[in-house]
Amino acid sequence: DQQVKQNSPSLSVQEGRISILNCDYTNSMFDYFLWYKKYPAEGPTFLISISSIKDKNEDGRFTVFLNKSAKHLSLHIVPSQPGDSAVYFCAASAGTGANNLFFGTGTRLTVIP
Amino acid sequence: GAVVSQHPSWVICKSGTSVKIECRSLDFQATTMFWYRQFPKQSLMLMATSNEGSKATYEQGVEKDKFLINHASLTLSTLTVTSAHPEDSSFYICSGTGTGGPQGQFFGPGTRLTVL
Repeated sequence: DQQVKQNSPSLSVQEGRISILNCDYTNSMFDYFLWYKKYPAEGPTFLISISSIKDKNEDGRFTVFLNKSAKHLSLHIVPSQPGDSAVYFCAASAGTGANNLFFGTGTRLTVIP
Repeated sequence: GAVVSQHPSWVICKSGTSVKIECRSLDFQATTMFWYRQFPKQSLMLMATSNEGSKATYEQGVEKDKFLINHASLTLSTLTVTSAHPEDSSFYICSGTGTGGPQGQFFGPGTRLTVL
């Protein structure tokens, strides 16, 4: 049972525009959410996170929004850059910090120069 | 960020043989290490969690006698796929946690296993 879902397997965006990656979850016990970025032949690297007590967290060009009632979060990248092209994974954990992570299937972002 | 390495990065083996995958935390002490498996077009699925010096905790549906995990030190964990079969072909990725923090786990680059 997939508790974290990323329904868009791929996304293409023009350089300089906004990229919006979406993630949905089903487990209401999840209270911590993370986004990871993965380049080919490398492991996922942490990008940004948000606790369930917040609805927004911003770090430079990256902003994560959390809508608990809809069990939905999104990652906004603005402006998008070609170096942002990668696979982005959404992950969630429940009550145990960021150890027991449940991952989505990933969205491949391509930023077109 | 912290660095985790995996060796080998890819391996091809014959059905029935055993394969060992190493996971090392290079610049931090990983008190807890995790092993994931990812099939094509699917998400990373946690297989097991191991704490240094303790027996690994396996997720439901993961055979502990088939996937042997050893976490002998704070910088090394190994996963041995015993009597591998073609259905074990997958991408295996490890991660480790150190002193905590919002970034969660630090991941290795993964190992592609192909069982013929």
